[in-house]
Amino acid sequence: AQRVTQPEKLLSVFKGAPVELKCNYSYSGSPELFWYVQYSRQRLQLLLRHISRESIKGFTADLNKGETSFHLKKPFAQEEDSAMYYCASPTVKTSYDKVIFGPGTSLSVIP
Amino acid sequence: IAGITQAPTSQILAAGRRMTLRCTQDMRHNAMYWYRQDLGLGLRLIHYSNTAGTTGKGEVPDGYSVSRANTDDFPLTLASAVPSQTSVYFCASSDSGLGDTQYFGPGTRLTVL
Repeated sequence: AQRVTQPEKLLSVFKGAPVELKCNYSYSGSPELFWYVQYSRQRLQLLLRHISRESIKGFTADLNKGETSFHLKKPFAQEEDSAMYYCASPTVKTSYDKVIFGPGTSLSVIP
Repeated sequence: IAGITQAPTSQILAAGRRMTLRCTQDMRHNAMYWYRQDLGLGLRLIHYSNTAGTTGKGEVPDGYSVSRANTDDFPLTLASAVPSQTSVYFCASSDSGLGDTQYFGPGTRLTVL
């Protein structure tokens, strides 16, 4: 079965330190991958997606097909980055069958 | 513009009772989804709808039903609630299909006793 994994449930970093949130997928084709973020008391929202290749709030994510990874990175963490982060992928690009979300990583940035 | 709204915000429900969670969007999105969020499991798709008049089963559909009578509304019904349905429920919509960005509602926290 296709899966999206996020190995770290909790991640704590100091302010100003680099941060990397890991995401691995099992889809064998060319996946459409997303990172969603949920700040405290706010709704889930898109942070970035693979196809747009944008940098949002200083975060970037590079698709590595060889390692089947889509890790989220930021060179200098800020306190406002503390949130729950979900990696997500549709199973098949043209199918409405299902979307797979990873279990999420809770990022805590220590002042 | 409200975007996507859900009601109620939270609910405590006795096991065996029927409950409908409401979801409304004003973005004229074709696709809508219901997820449940459980600690350590992430978000799991319950049901989805490609367009008004059509629905489909997601990853964890048992015990839930949906309808899509029009573009804007996508209610989720628990016919006979059980404690394992205690969760936070999120409704989402996208313009067309899973390759598009999904826009989420604020969630409904449901406790089944």
